[in-house]
Amino acid sequence: EVQLVESGGDLVRPGGSLRLSCRASGFTFSDHYIDWVRQAPGKGLEWVGRTRKAGKSYITQYAASVAGRFTISRDDSRSSLYLQMNSLKTEDTALYYCVRVFSNYYFDYWGRGTLVTVSS
Amino acid sequence: DIQLTQSPSFLSASVGDRVTITCRASQDISSVLAWYQQKPGKAPNVLIYGSSTLQSGVPSRFSGSGSGTEFTLTISSLQPEDFAAYYCQQLKSFPLTFGQGTRLEMK
Repeated sequence: EVQLVESGGDLVRPGGSLRLSCRASGFTFSDHYIDWVRQAPGKGLEWVGRTRKAGKSYITQYAASVAGRFTISRDDSRSSLYLQMNSLKTEDTALYYCVRVFSNYYFDYWGRGTLVTVSS
Repeated sequence: DIQLTQSPSFLSASVGDRVTITCRASQDISSVLAWYQQKPGKAPNVLIYGSSTLQSGVPSRFSGSGSGTEFTLTISSLQPEDFAAYYCQQLKSFPLTFGQGTRLEMK
């Protein structure tokens, strides 16, 4: 069974940092792109970014709203994806999902999300 | 960036109604568009991909159409479990973007 489990969400002050993790199981992690998507409370979905996978020359892509502050990385040996978030702003408050990409056509599996709250 | 505009943002309908949600892209995205359903407190689930391909396990009352810049999601006969939020998404180019969502509520 495919599973994506996010962790690391917390309450953090503006300007602070946080690192989220996504642990995958039930499939060959290195074969797939895994993205981050977030959803602010009561709001819509926002794609955050995607990093390259092994064997693909590809620059990591980010939404403009997080570029320069967030860094996505992955460790295929641990079937894990990470999101390092720096210089956090109140508008980064959201539920952060990791999602599996199916052949660049759609997101076929979603985690349950981890909540990041940025507040003083 | 490719903007996706969904209409309407809110839709009130009754069980058995036929409803259509529109998604307009700010530039040509061919057919690289997906539709998701999201129920309160849950992660989204894909309904349609490639503009018109029904995801396995999704009821046939859901259908999608369109290409280029205009797309539609149609539910032929609303069921109680269909009252939810719906989002379109383009995967044609980075940054990937979602429509702002359509909230489908029971009349």
